[in-house]
Amino acid sequence: DQQVKQNSPSLSVQEGRISILNCDYTNSMFDYFLWYKKYPAEGPTFLISISSIKDKNEDGRFTVFLNKSAKHLSLHIVPSQPGDSAVYFCAASDSGGSYIPTFGRGTSLIVHP
Amino acid sequence: EPEVTQTPSHQVTQMGQEVILRCVPISNHLYFYWYRQILGQKVEFLVSFYNNEISEKSEIFDDQFSVERPDGSNFTLKIRSTKLEDSAMYFCASSGTGMRNTIYFGEGSWLTVV
Repeated sequence: DQQVKQNSPSLSVQEGRISILNCDYTNSMFDYFLWYKKYPAEGPTFLISISSIKDKNEDGRFTVFLNKSAKHLSLHIVPSQPGDSAVYFCAASDSGGSYIPTFGRGTSLIVHP
Repeated sequence: EPEVTQTPSHQVTQMGQEVILRCVPISNHLYFYWYRQILGQKVEFLVSFYNNEISEKSEIFDDQFSVERPDGSNFTLKIRSTKLEDSAMYFCASSGTGMRNTIYFGEGSWLTVV
């Protein structure tokens, strides 16, 4: 049962353009969402998070948007850089219950120079 | 910047052998976790640990797995009798009391069972 879904296994983007990574969730109890970036043979690195009381959170080139009614969130990276090439994981948790994040399968982003 | 450290980075072991993976969580964190990622698959939760006891575990975390915090800094995952399907990258993670659901991962320990 995939509670957190990243339906695009890969995404290819030109340097300087916007990268949009999508994530859907099924559990309506999820109220805290995170994005992680992972390089091969390294651990996931926390990027940005958003609480369900917000619909947008921004940190530099990274912005996360949350649409609670659609149970959908997205990560925007603008402008994309070759160093952004990595696997991006969406994760979600229920702060009032099991706060432990559940991860999606990841989307591999390739940014071409 | 504080980080989670893990040892060994890579271990090859024979099927049936015991393996201990070690982790030093971020020093002021109180919640500790193990996740794993089998090659090509998603990051899967194994177990969480708080106040010297398991707070939650997944169905993957069966009797062959155990965790321990033997002293004030280390957090270990023991696999009693390894199977081929235990081959994976094992990630230790920790989180603080303020934002316990923002977890920070170590670099991982790659376990190969042959």
